[in-house]
Amino acid sequence: NAGVTQTPKFRILKIGQSMTLQCTQDMNHNYMYWYRQDPGMGLKLIYYSVGAGITDKGEVPNGYNVSRSTTEDFPLRLELAAPSQTSVYFCAAAQGRYEQYFGPGTRLTVT
Amino acid sequence: KNQVEQSPQSLIILEGKNCTLQCNYTVSPFSNLRWYKQDTGRGPVSLTIMTFSENTKSNGRYTATLDADTKQSSLHITASQLSDSASYICVVEGQAGTALIFGKGTTLSVSS
Repeated sequence: NAGVTQTPKFRILKIGQSMTLQCTQDMNHNYMYWYRQDPGMGLKLIYYSVGAGITDKGEVPNGYNVSRSTTEDFPLRLELAAPSQTSVYFCAAAQGRYEQYFGPGTRLTVT
Repeated sequence: KNQVEQSPQSLIILEGKNCTLQCNYTVSPFSNLRWYKQDTGRGPVSLTIMTFSENTKSNGRYTATLDADTKQSSLHITASQLSDSASYICVVEGQAGTALIFGKGTTLSVSS
């Protein structure tokens, strides 16, 4: 039981490039979330999903897109990467509204 | 504006000592308050979750308290260990279903 896994662990992008951050959970949890954590700041919610086929915007969705075709997977797509998207990205899964289980994170640098 | 403020920003203590971390919030209405531990380079891990009706909750050597009237919470760590070195994050959920509001965290360093 791996919990929440994220790939890649690290990535460097050039301005304007695009990429997909992968997130997979094996706990059969309905709720999934994407957060970003900037240095010295609290985590901010980018997008979330309450089940397969259902996604919604969080606090900071601009520049990102998500999809949820299965319960297990919740990829985050960055289009036209910008330096402001340099951050650590965390995916999380939860069965209800309470305890969230976080993945190990993806550290992204845009230069 | 809904905010979560944590203090101190950082703390250094000797192994075996106790410490208390503080969290003040202005989130209203309030649904629940959570404490997470985040090791360097890892994702946050849940320590406790308290609803507005709970005053205290323990998880091993970690004890969280909540005063919903004054909008304050504390996390007390007893008999600290080197493995307690981490960032401790206070998180508040406002009205049910709204986004969680994360504090910036307190960085705790336990030295031998």
